[in-house]
Amino acid sequence: EMTLTQSPAFMLATPGDKVNISCKVSQDIDDDMNWFRQKPGEAPVFIIQEATTLVPGIPPRFSGSGYGTDFTLTINNIESEDAAYYFCLQHDNFPYSFGQGTKLEIK
Amino acid sequence: EVQLVESGGGLVQPGGSLRLSCAASGFTFGTYSMNWVRQAPGKGLEWVSYIGGRGDTMHYADSVKGRFTISRDNAKSSIFLQMNNLRAEDTAIYYCARHYAHDYWGQGTLVTVSS
Repeated sequence: EMTLTQSPAFMLATPGDKVNISCKVSQDIDDDMNWFRQKPGEAPVFIIQEATTLVPGIPPRFSGSGYGTDFTLTINNIESEDAAYYFCLQHDNFPYSFGQGTKLEIK
Repeated sequence: EVQLVESGGGLVQPGGSLRLSCAASGFTFGTYSMNWVRQAPGKGLEWVSYIGGRGDTMHYADSVKGRFTISRDNAKSSIFLQMNNLRAEDTAIYYCARHYAHDYWGQGTLVTVSS
């Protein structure tokens, strides 16, 4: 069973900053990595598919990179509305698994 | 418009059972796999179970294997999660999510296991 290690657990950013969130997987999963954003009291929202593809309707300041075991979610030019939890998901092998989450706060 | 609506949550005693439902609309249901994902209060997301589009392939997290059963009724565009022998640690919001990508999610239904 593979493990996902997401970091950092918490980030404090200023509007206009660039932030990177990392997700490392214990086994090679090609590009079978998705990213989600979740605001308090709401369901998760799909933002990046197959490691690098931006989901339609998501602002282009969001991007994903990586392949194999190391993946990164990048948010450029952070806005206050980006405050949320962010999760990665590997869907390469069962059991599927999520990262532990990153809480992003904006000053 | 894709819509997923969960129901069936509630308060149940330890050792009890509950059956969750997820009603889908806005897409050709039988061509999509589906998942259950849960989120304990203040915690992260935990994948729970998967069912293939035809209902002939199922997978479970180790934490629920042998206690939970996923099923689907394509004629009613619905999936279900039969939860038996519930434990306090099963307390969570349960979401259904479409496809291996988890591209659409419902709003969730709260399950509370407590005496």
